[in-house]
Amino acid sequence: DVKVTQSSRYLVKRTGEKVFLECVQDMDHENMFWYRQDPGLGLRLIYFSYDVKMKEKGDIPEGYSVSREKKERFSLILESTSTNQTSMYLCASSFAGGGSDTQYFGPGTRLTVL
Amino acid sequence: DAKTTQPPSMDCAEGRAANLPCNHSTISGNEYVYWYRQIHSQGPQYIIHGLKNNETNEMASLIITEDRKSSTLILPHATLRDTAVYYCIVRPLYNQGGKLIFGQGTELSVKP
Repeated sequence: DVKVTQSSRYLVKRTGEKVFLECVQDMDHENMFWYRQDPGLGLRLIYFSYDVKMKEKGDIPEGYSVSREKKERFSLILESTSTNQTSMYLCASSFAGGGSDTQYFGPGTRLTVL
Repeated sequence: DAKTTQPPSMDCAEGRAANLPCNHSTISGNEYVYWYRQIHSQGPQYIIHGLKNNETNEMASLIITEDRKSSTLILPHATLRDTAVYYCIVRPLYNQGGKLIFGQGTELSVKP
């Protein structure tokens, strides 16, 4: 089975603090994604990466950065958190071969910024 | 924008089949139908996908109409653990970097 893990299930931070969310997948997937999910807004793509050291902006990259130093790890960084970044953060990965690129998700990190 | 329409909620008795409908009347020839579900406060879970033939796996069956404008996800013997929001999505099979767009989904409640 595909396994995508995220470093924390719940985090509480104060405004201005730095947050580092790590995602690890064990299926040798090339593609990795960071989304946030908010009530009434569905999933919104923050960044994705299709290879080590490669990254592409999604729909809402402002206030976020990412790092992909190893194929299995994709990190989301919030340099200086704000209350509007309170959300559920979801990591996903997918294969980039000739077949299906079904995305598999981690359990999510619920971040609260006070 | 989501290209699918689903009922907002459904109930199902435990042990009975749950049949979740989805309309996707504007689906194009290269788009597949995917189903995910999300149990409260957890990440979405992939269930199944198909193009035009019916598909079955260990979790569910997917029935796609001949004109491909609608589909039904079938959970053959629903359990309380199947209570979740179910999302029907249409997208190309291979869409590197393509984001998933979830609509409102169907909130399925399985009752004892």
